[in-house]
Amino acid sequence: GQQLNQSPQSMFIQEGEDVSMNCTSSSIFNTWLWYKQDPGEGPVLLIALYKAGELTSNGRLTAQFGITRKDSFLNISASIPSDVGIYFCAGQLADYGGSQGNLIFGKGTKLSVKP
Amino acid sequence: GAGVSQTPSNKVTEKGKYVELRCDPISGHTALYWYRQSLGQGPEFLIYFQGTGAADDSGLPNDRFFAVRPEGSVSTLKIQRTERGDSAVYLCASSPGSQSTYNEQFFGPGTRLTVL
Repeated sequence: GQQLNQSPQSMFIQEGEDVSMNCTSSSIFNTWLWYKQDPGEGPVLLIALYKAGELTSNGRLTAQFGITRKDSFLNISASIPSDVGIYFCAGQLADYGGSQGNLIFGKGTKLSVKP
Repeated sequence: GAGVSQTPSNKVTEKGKYVELRCDPISGHTALYWYRQSLGQGPEFLIYFQGTGAADDSGLPNDRFFAVRPEGSVSTLKIQRTERGDSAVYLCASSPGSQSTYNEQFFGPGTRLTVL
């Protein structure tokens, strides 16, 4: 099936640091979404992107829809302890047809606090 | 405001039994999705409803899995003859649907299914 390659798989953060993660694919997407999931809970939508090249911010989070439509990145600035969790990218394939449809998810980037 | 709710939060069953998982979407959302999430993985698509009809069921792994949404709101995912490999967290999501050009999907907390 279709796959999204999400990296890094895990990373450690220290309070105040900036964090970057990205997703790539060999397929073209018409929608990119970024979610955060805490243990025992469902994914929470952080940012949605709908146009190639689009750059969108939500507080300390910034995400971009790659111009090739095959990738997206998420940046977190000045990280705080509550940023720990698992971040997922998700996309809807461009050839799915229509504005609605299933999302394909990456395997997640796990953010932990540096010991 | 009320988000997506799912019941039960946990379900333990024995191999071979039948289970039903319920999803109550955000009021007014016409699109409803079921995903399955295994440990250490991202959610994987199962089925998508637009209104009462299944618009895409290509993610259902086999004919033991079935889902309904008879009135276009609440949905039930049904699993027959459960197997240990069915153990996972089953997530439900809803979105505004075909009246929107945006595919923002909002997830419930999930049902953790354990098949012994």
